[in-house]
Amino acid sequence: QVQLQESGPGLVKPSQTLSLTCTVSGGSISSGSYYWSWIRQPAGKGLEWIGRIYTSGSTNYNPSLKSRVTISVDTSKNQFSLKLSSVTAADTAVYYCARDHGSSGWAARDWGQGTLVTVSS
Amino acid sequence: SYVLTQPPSVSVAPGQTARITCGGNNIGSKSVHWYQQKPGQAPVLVVYDDSDRPSGIPERFSGSNSGNTATLTISRVEAGDEADYYCQVWDSSSDSWVFGGGTKLTVL
Repeated sequence: QVQLQESGPGLVKPSQTLSLTCTVSGGSISSGSYYWSWIRQPAGKGLEWIGRIYTSGSTNYNPSLKSRVTISVDTSKNQFSLKLSSVTAADTAVYYCARDHGSSGWAARDWGQGTLVTVSS
Repeated sequence: SYVLTQPPSVSVAPGQTARITCGGNNIGSKSVHWYQQKPGQAPVLVVYDDSDRPSGIPERFSGSNSGNTATLTISRVEAGDEADYYCQVWDSSSDSWVFGGGTKLTVL
């Protein structure tokens, strides 16, 4: 049973870059038909998809965030990462990593527990 | 960009049937996924590809999709079904996933 765990700073200053890592255990990040995604959720609000990466390195991003987002994968560490630049208070949210299954229409079947990132000086 | 519209809230008595809608332009031509999220927890996939259920999801959860509306139906609602529910589709015009705004299901 694959498990995902987000990690990274819980506090980021405005204008800086938010960096998070998702560590995958219980399976290889480079095997199977999966996309690896990031989703966020501001307190009391809905889900917002940030972007995803395939193990080949192919990426898709939310158009509203595309200019600030980079998602990468490190197969040697079984991790994938999110970088969001020029953050503002509006980027304060719980950030989730997830695994999207090709066998399920690329729906996110496996999720991390989420990590709260606050943007504040 | 593609917009998905969900009612903010739906209320239902235990044992009754809850229907949560997700509206979008010609959404019937897309595959819709549904997630359940309880307070303080990560979302859980309950229906994918309009009407399929992942293993472990009760048969009480079903989905349909036609025209401009997709529907998540929860039969014989239980107190434990109280949660926020989100629909999701792939927007091929922008190559991105889109979530609906979410619906809070209250079990009376």
